[in-house]
Amino acid sequence: SQTIHQWPATLVQPVGSPLSLECTVEGTSNPNLYWYRQAAGRGLQLLFYSIGIGQISSEVPQNLSASRPQDRQFILSSKKLLLSDSGFYLCAWRVWTVANTGELFFGEGSRLTVL
Amino acid sequence: KQEVTQIPAALSVPEGENLVLNCSFTDSAIYNLQWFRQDPGKGLTSLLLIQSSQREQTSGRLNASLDKSSGRSTLYIAASQPGDSATYLCAVTKYSGAGSYQLTFGKGTKLSVIP
Repeated sequence: SQTIHQWPATLVQPVGSPLSLECTVEGTSNPNLYWYRQAAGRGLQLLFYSIGIGQISSEVPQNLSASRPQDRQFILSSKKLLLSDSGFYLCAWRVWTVANTGELFFGEGSRLTVL
Repeated sequence: KQEVTQIPAALSVPEGENLVLNCSFTDSAIYNLQWFRQDPGKGLTSLLLIQSSQREQTSGRLNASLDKSSGRSTLYIAASQPGDSATYLCAVTKYSGAGSYQLTFGKGTKLSVIP
């Protein structure tokens, strides 16, 4: 069965520090991968998505970046965090097959607090 | 641009009651619609996925219907329990060309089931 792992689950970082959040998917190949942010009281905001290794599309221009070094690994990074980067970050994946026609699955999320 | 609306934003019901959550979308040319549940501080859990060619899907006490022509979906929860308390989100996928799929989320309905 397929599973998705996100870490760290919780992170408290000072302003100006770097960030690295990691997401890995198991049990599937060539998934579409997504990074979302959920700020308090707001909806889900798509940050990045990837349809393959090294292929990243950015939805929101900001000081965050994403990379996909391996088929089932998706990394969200920042060189210098801002206060506004605080939020709940969610990784998601889906594949397009006869058995799984685009169903989206989420990880448990990473809570980032920037102080 | 696809817009997804969920009304009401919050709902409180006594235990045992049957209830309906609503989701409406502006562009009826969708690929699929998915309902999620989110517990506080957690990721999203997929509940039901309805393909555009389907009218409804059922899982246990949950039944989701889809009316593409009117741009509406409902999530019916039978015999509600306190454990059903969570935020319920719907998401619509639309094919946007060149092998790309666009996903749009509603802001969710926060359900409280009172014992």
